[in-house]
This record gives sequence, C-alpha cells and structure tokens, in this order.
Amino acid sequence: KQEVTQIPAALSVPEGENLVLNCSFTDSAIYNLQWFRQDPGKGLTSLLLIQSSQREQTSGRLNASLDKSSGRSTLYIAASQPGDSATYLCAVNPHLSIQGAQKLVFGQGTRLTINP
Amino acid sequence: DGGITQSPKYLFRKEGQNVTLSCEQNLNHDAMYWYRQDPGQGLRLIYYSQIVNDFQKGDIAEGYSVSREKKESFPLTVTSAQKNPTAFYLCASSGRALRNEQFFGPGTRLTVL
Repeated sequence: KQEVTQIPAALSVPEGENLVLNCSFTDSAIYNLQWFRQDPGKGLTSLLLIQSSQREQTSGRLNASLDKSSGRSTLYIAASQPGDSATYLCAVNPHLSIQGAQKLVFGQGTRLTINP
Repeated sequence: DGGITQSPKYLFRKEGQNVTLSCEQNLNHDAMYWYRQDPGQGLRLIYYSQIVNDFQKGDIAEGYSVSREKKESFPLTVTSAQKNPTAFYLCASSGRALRNEQFFGPGTRLTVL
C-alpha cells in the first residue's frame, strides 16, 4: 500500500530565505505527483504536477523535483515571502485509469510560516 | 470563470440527521471526487466518480452516499450511520488530459451538534 510522508510537519523561517519541503513515498511505481497549497479553512490550490517521466517542474519561485527510484520529491521555494505561509501537501497518483480518474494518496502536509 | 463550487460553506447537523453537501463544476471534467480532512491530517478519499451514473468507494466510504446524475454535479450525503462526521469536506474534479491535475473546491465544514 502506497504511503506518503512529509517531514517536517511544521517549519518556520525568516522572510527571504530559500527553503525545501520534503515528500517521500513508499512505492516508486507512480504515474505522477502533485504539490498543493492550502490556506487555513480553504480548499487546495494546485501548484505543480510532475509526470513520472519528468525530473522537475518550475513555476515562478517554485521548483519541484522527482526522484522515483528513491521515492522522494522536493518543493523548493526561492526568496520566501510572508504570503507563502500556508500548508503544503504532496499527493501521489499511483496509476493511470483508462477513464482518467485518479486515487491520489496524500501526505499530511507541512505547515510553513514565513516570518517578516 | 471555470471552477468548482461547494455549498454550504458551514453546515451543522444534529445527531441522527442525514445532510447533503453540494458540489458543482463547470470545467467539463469527467471525474469527480469527495475527500474528508481532519485536523492535522492529509486528505482521505470517500467516493469518486469517473463518469455519469457511475461511482466507486474510496478508502472511507462507510456512512456516506453519493449520486452522479449529471456531469456537473456530485452531491455527498452524510448519513446518520457515519459515527464521527465532524470534518472539513473537499470536492475535486479532473479531466482526461495527460496531465490529469485535480482541482479543488473551497470546502464545506460540517459540525455535529
């Protein structure tokens, strides 16, 4: 059974720092991996999606990498800002359904606080 | 604007009542999903539907029911059989494109009185 772990559960850093969030998964046979952001009391916002054939994806100050063989993904945030404060979740899609549905397996998230 | 709407934002239920949470999407997505989120935990899949008139149980389907009569709509009923329904409920959808990203609604917070 696929399990996804995110460590640490919480992280607090000063504004302007570059930081890395970690995600590990137990079964390397995945179709893709998705990183989400969740603000308190809100839904999830998709940040980046990496297909199993890709090594990384970039969007603005965010860069996500994927190492399937070691079961790891990292989300790199450059020049952090107070507005980046949120919970970040990673989710693994174990396989591709012909009809397109996915049963994502989520980590518990890392709660990030950027201090001004 | 394309997106997913959920209503109500807050819902209070008395013991023994069934309640229904609404989820509507105008993204023309085939697949829709319901998740439950408890404090400090990741999301757990309740039900999902790949096409109209078809749905499958997720990891924690007991005490819940769904229907998929229209492509745009996927309501979730929390029945009295669900022993601990207080949680944050999230609806999502995804298309058939290669990227297969899931997009989420704003959520409904259900509290049992």
